[in-house]
Amino acid sequence: EAEVAQSPRYKITEKSQAVAFWCDPISGHATLYWYRQILGQGPELLVQFQDESVVDDSQLPKDRFSAERLKGVDSTLKIQPAELGDSAMYLCASSFPSGGANEQFFGPGTRLTVL
Amino acid sequence: AQSVTQPDIHITVSEGASLELRCNYSYGATPYLFWYVQSPGQGLQLLLKYFSGDTLVQGIKGFEAEFKRSQSSFNLRKPSVHWSDAAEYFCAVGGGSTGTASKLTFGTGTRLQVTL
Repeated sequence: EAEVAQSPRYKITEKSQAVAFWCDPISGHATLYWYRQILGQGPELLVQFQDESVVDDSQLPKDRFSAERLKGVDSTLKIQPAELGDSAMYLCASSFPSGGANEQFFGPGTRLTVL
Repeated sequence: AQSVTQPDIHITVSEGASLELRCNYSYGATPYLFWYVQSPGQGLQLLLKYFSGDTLVQGIKGFEAEFKRSQSSFNLRKPSVHWSDAAEYFCAVGGGSTGTASKLTFGTGTRLQVTL
């Protein structure tokens, strides 16, 4: 069964350092999402790609976060510099849009701890 | 703006007992509704979804949910809970739009504990 892959699964870093997360969506899924999930809360959308284009990055803290999906397949989310408040689970999801009624498939996530 | 409310932060049920998790949504048009389950340290797995048609939808693992437009609710139910159902459950709402897939807005989740 096809799955969304993410790496690393866990990342510990010190504040002010740079971190990067990678996501490989299910083959053929044109839409890719990055969510942030703070402990005890639901996921919140950071950025949405349609192929290689950003569709929604309204909740992405652009002063320190960046995301790219250069060839419209895999994607990288970067934080520079990391802050204590960035500690969270970062989830990647993908979907194959069908008239807008999309089911999103989630990867296992990357747990980030900023010390 | 779309939003989801899950009023129960934590629920404890005995194994074999029935379960109902509440979800209320706010959305300006016809919503697409989802229930996801998350085990500790894991990603989210889709339990079921409602797009249109029959308001009672069946999902995996014996779960079902009923869409009630008049109450803006999409409650999740299971007639007999198993210990393996202990997890975090998230309700989500998304909008239908032609062309580009729409984003999901999640509730804050309900943690289910199952006692033996």
